[in-house]
Amino acid sequence: SQTIHQWPATLVQPVGSPLSLECTVEGTSNPNLYWYRQAAGRGLQLLFYSVGIGQISSEVPQNLSASRPQDRQFILSSKKLLLSDSGFYLCARGEGYFPTDTQYFGPGTRLTVL
Amino acid sequence: AQTVTQSQPEMSVQEAETVTLSCTYDTSESDYYLFWYKQPPSRQMILVIRQEAYKQQNATENRFSVNFQKAAKSFSLKISDSQLGDAAMYFCAYRSAYNAGNNRKLIWGLGTSLAVNP
Repeated sequence: SQTIHQWPATLVQPVGSPLSLECTVEGTSNPNLYWYRQAAGRGLQLLFYSVGIGQISSEVPQNLSASRPQDRQFILSSKKLLLSDSGFYLCARGEGYFPTDTQYFGPGTRLTVL
Repeated sequence: AQTVTQSQPEMSVQEAETVTLSCTYDTSESDYYLFWYKQPPSRQMILVIRQEAYKQQNATENRFSVNFQKAAKSFSLKISDSQLGDAAMYFCAYRSAYNAGNNRKLIWGLGTSLAVNP
């Protein structure tokens, strides 16, 4: 079966500190990978997607960045966190061919920036 | 641009009863995909059901079924024999079948919070 892991599950960080969230996928090769953010009481906002190693597309200009150093690893980073970066971050893998793949989500990371 | 509207912020249903959640969307495209996702208190987003616009037959998945009305741009979710574990936020989402610009995105509704009463 295909499993998505996200680490850490919960994170509290001060404003201005760096960020690194990790997403790893098991049971599949060369998956399409996605990073979403969900603010409290709102829908999902697509941040980045990747169709292969080193291939990153950004959907929203901001102080976040993403990298895909390995086939099944997707990392979300920031050099300096803002208060507005607080939220629930979800990684998803796509099943099928981009861009009509069906997305399956990981358990998420809850980020609080103080 | 495509939009997805869920007009019911909150709904409730008695255990074992049937409930229908509404979703409408706006698009000028003829080929697309529609999804219902469930987000329980754990906040993990779980795919409930998927519908291809070119298929006239409504998708079903165990106790979950959809009523897809393409001309009306309506995509409602019916949950039969509701269970306590069905309590969650339900999101409707749209995705274009065309690979261009913003069409790569899933367009999300704001969700319907479903409570299941014992």
